[in-house]
Amino acid sequence: SQQGEEDPQALSIQEGENATMNCSYKTSINNLQWYRQNSGRGLVHLILIRSNEREKHSGRLRVTLDTSKKSSSLLITASRAADTASYFCAPRPNTGGFKTIFGAGTRLFVKA
Amino acid sequence: GAGVSQSPSNKVTEKGKDVELRCDPISGHTALYWYRQSLGQGLEFLIYFQGNSAPDKSGLPSDRFSAERTGGSVSTLTIQRTQQEDSAVYLCASSRGTSSFYEQYFGPGTRLTVT
Repeated sequence: SQQGEEDPQALSIQEGENATMNCSYKTSINNLQWYRQNSGRGLVHLILIRSNEREKHSGRLRVTLDTSKKSSSLLITASRAADTASYFCAPRPNTGGFKTIFGAGTRLFVKA
Repeated sequence: GAGVSQSPSNKVTEKGKDVELRCDPISGHTALYWYRQSLGQGLEFLIYFQGNSAPDKSGLPSDRFSAERTGGSVSTLTIQRTQQEDSAVYLCASSRGTSSFYEQYFGPGTRLTVT
């Protein structure tokens, strides 16, 4: 199994600002996924980045991956109040099992 | 199509009682996961089912917890002799298969309160 650790634990910004969240992990991965959780309910998949990719975009989301540093970042540009949520990274190993160990997440609060 | 559904959405039970939580995965998804999330915390992995393979139960916190998946579809998580520390949101997720590239689709969760 492989656990991602998100940083910071909490982030508070003004609407319109950019939000950056980081994820670190320990072993080799096949890909890394980011999820969002609103109000303590089910997570929603946001984006997947493969181990041979360095950057990926989806709308206002930009994800980077540095496999040499075993880290990833999620950037949300021009944040909105609706982006207020917890964000989790899920590093997916290429061997050793399929369960996903989520970290504690980053709680993002966007003030209107 | 329909997403992952869970029932009940909320459950209040007295300490010492048994509870059953149900998960209906997306049709055709062979992998099913159960997680637990305490207030303000991250997700704690409980158990994983994949097809007809033996489940990965490594995350179950005690022998009071058990889960089954009948016919490769619906899953039930059972907690016997509930304790107050069992209070949490229990989340179920399914995915198309074992590939790590498959995303997990989560249900809305069951909020369990043990009084």
